[in-house]
Amino acid sequence: AQKITQTQPGMFVQEKEAVTLDCTYDTSDPSYGLFWYKQPSSGEMIFLIYQGSYDQQNATEGRYSLNFQKARKSANLVISASQLGDSAMYFCAMRLISSGSARQLTFGSGTQLTVLP
Amino acid sequence: EAQVTQNPRYLITVTGKKLTVTCSQNMNHEYMSWYRQDPGLGLRQIYYSMNVEVTDKGDVPEGYKVSRKEKRNFPLILESPSPNQTSLYFCASRSIEQGEEKLFFGSGTQLSVL
Repeated sequence: AQKITQTQPGMFVQEKEAVTLDCTYDTSDPSYGLFWYKQPSSGEMIFLIYQGSYDQQNATEGRYSLNFQKARKSANLVISASQLGDSAMYFCAMRLISSGSARQLTFGSGTQLTVLP
Repeated sequence: EAQVTQNPRYLITVTGKKLTVTCSQNMNHEYMSWYRQDPGLGLRQIYYSMNVEVTDKGDVPEGYKVSRKEKRNFPLILESPSPNQTSLYFCASRSIEQGEEKLFFGSGTQLSVL
């Protein structure tokens, strides 16, 4: 069964600095997708970025980039130039894509990021 | 506006009283799913649906039912709620465009079972 591990329950970063949120995953399936979601205090879940296991390049979306290291099974989220509005809970998730897989999305336990002024 | 709509936003109920949390999406997505979020555990999938009349169990299906009679609606039913079902619930639908997957979440339902 697949598993997602986020080892940082909480992180602090100074405004305008970059921050890396860690995520490691465990699966023996070669075909999977990795996701990051943001959950502000208001509660809604916001999609940030997606990385396919066969993608050659690391995914980027504006200030978000995904540092994908397949051999290490890590998919860290990098937020550049942090803003106060980035303070939120961040979840890493994985879904198996190959046929016959359970198709369910597995989430990590989350990292609470606080951006300091 | 593309969105997933969940209702109600907050719900307090008592043990054993049947309840339904509604979920509707206006994006014509085939795939929909339900999650519960508990502190320290992240989100865990309850049920998912690949299309109309096709549903399957996720990681934590016990105590829940779902139905998918129409593409846009995917209600979550608790026939006899218990206090351990107190949680934050999210409905989601999924799109796949140009090889990129994206989940669209509802705004969540905070359920308290007394």
